[in-house]
Amino acid sequence: QQQVKQSPQSLIVQKGGIPIINCAYENTAFDYFPWYQQFPGKGPALLIAIRPDVSEKKEGRFTISFNKSAKQFSLHIMDSQPGDSATYFCAASDGSSNTGKLIFGQGTTLQVKP
Amino acid sequence: EAGVAQSPRYKIIEKRQSVAFWCNPISGHATLYWYQQILGQGPKLLIQFQNNGVVDDSQLPKDRFSAERLKGVDSTLKIQPAKLEDSAVYLCASSFGSATYEQYFGPGTRLTVT
Repeated sequence: QQQVKQSPQSLIVQKGGIPIINCAYENTAFDYFPWYQQFPGKGPALLIAIRPDVSEKKEGRFTISFNKSAKQFSLHIMDSQPGDSATYFCAASDGSSNTGKLIFGQGTTLQVKP
Repeated sequence: EAGVAQSPRYKIIEKRQSVAFWCNPISGHATLYWYQQILGQGPKLLIQFQNNGVVDDSQLPKDRFSAERLKGVDSTLKIQPAKLEDSAVYLCASSFGSATYEQYFGPGTRLTVT
């Protein structure tokens, strides 16, 4: 119940395409759903986050869509660029604890071809 | 603003040896996290400090792993004795607040146990 399941494991798109990464969860106590971006040799960096009472959030070319009833959320990258090639992790913050513990998905490696 | 600093960046040891990792969080960040990231997986929280107190160490293998955060700033994570399955990247992160998804990660230490 503490898991966040992420798919696909890897994704290849052409420049300008719209890659979509999906995540699913079970624990209704999760209260924030952030996405992190990780480049090789670097630590993850926060990209965008959403609360479960919001259905969509956009920041630049990155959009999170959230379906509370289905317990699913996804990341869309508009007009993808080769510089977006990285590993993307969805996560969930455990609101039932006073620590805000983050549970990460398994990650999706995205390659954007020029 | 300086980011989260970690050292060493790489470490190779033999099984049953001991190893220590060091982390210096962003100045002013009260909360410090240690994560383990096994190749192909998302980060898994090992321990979370609030100032110099432990708030979550539920996933820390306490028979071999230990961590401390003296004076509420720097932190050290130790493994003794190491096992093959400890091969991973050890990430340190910090945040200004306690229960927050907005965490700032260091570059990590890649540990290889042979």
